[in-house]
Amino acid sequence: AQKITQTQPGMFVQEKEAVTLDCTYDTSDQSYGLFWYKQPSSGEMIFLIYQGSYDEQNATEGRYSLNFQKARKSANLVISASQLGDSAMYFCAMRRPSGGYNKLIFGAGTRLAVHP
Amino acid sequence: DGGITQSPKYLFRKEGQNVTLSCEQNLNHDAMYWYRQDPGQGLRLIYYSQIVNDFQKGDIAEGYSVSREKKESFPLTVTSAQKNPTAFYLCASSTRLAGEGNTEAFFGQGTRLTVV
Repeated sequence: AQKITQTQPGMFVQEKEAVTLDCTYDTSDQSYGLFWYKQPSSGEMIFLIYQGSYDEQNATEGRYSLNFQKARKSANLVISASQLGDSAMYFCAMRRPSGGYNKLIFGAGTRLAVHP
Repeated sequence: DGGITQSPKYLFRKEGQNVTLSCEQNLNHDAMYWYRQDPGQGLRLIYYSQIVNDFQKGDIAEGYSVSREKKESFPLTVTSAQKNPTAFYLCASSTRLAGEGNTEAFFGQGTRLTVV
């Protein structure tokens, strides 16, 4: 069965420092996609970054990068130069093979607190 | 502005009553999804739809019903058969996937349902 595991319920980081949020996944599929979403206290889910299973390079989007280690089935999110506005819940998600749908399996999330 | 609108933001329901959550999108997306989020947990898929008048059950469809009479609209009804309906409900949409690639799901602001 496909599963996403986020082992860090909460993380603290000092403003301007980098932080890594862990994500491991379990799937027997060869083709899949991995996403990270941010959920502020207002509730909406904000897309951050995507990594395809066949992508050879780690994805980057501004201050966000994804440390993709396929053999270890891990897709950790790295946030560089943390800002106070980065305080939120972060969810790792995997797209299941879906015949054209974007059906996602989510982890339980990590709450990040950025301190001044 | 293009996006997904969910209404209402907060909803209170008495036990035994059906209630309908609204979801409208103007992104011209084919696929729409409903997810449920419980405190401290990730999102779980309730229903999804790719075309008008067609929809499929997700992982936790029992006690819920949907309709897709228009491409822009995908309302969710929480029926009295849903034993624990108090949760945060998120609607999402995406383009139809042609294959591997970054086609992230866009989310609405969510509806917080409380049964009293």
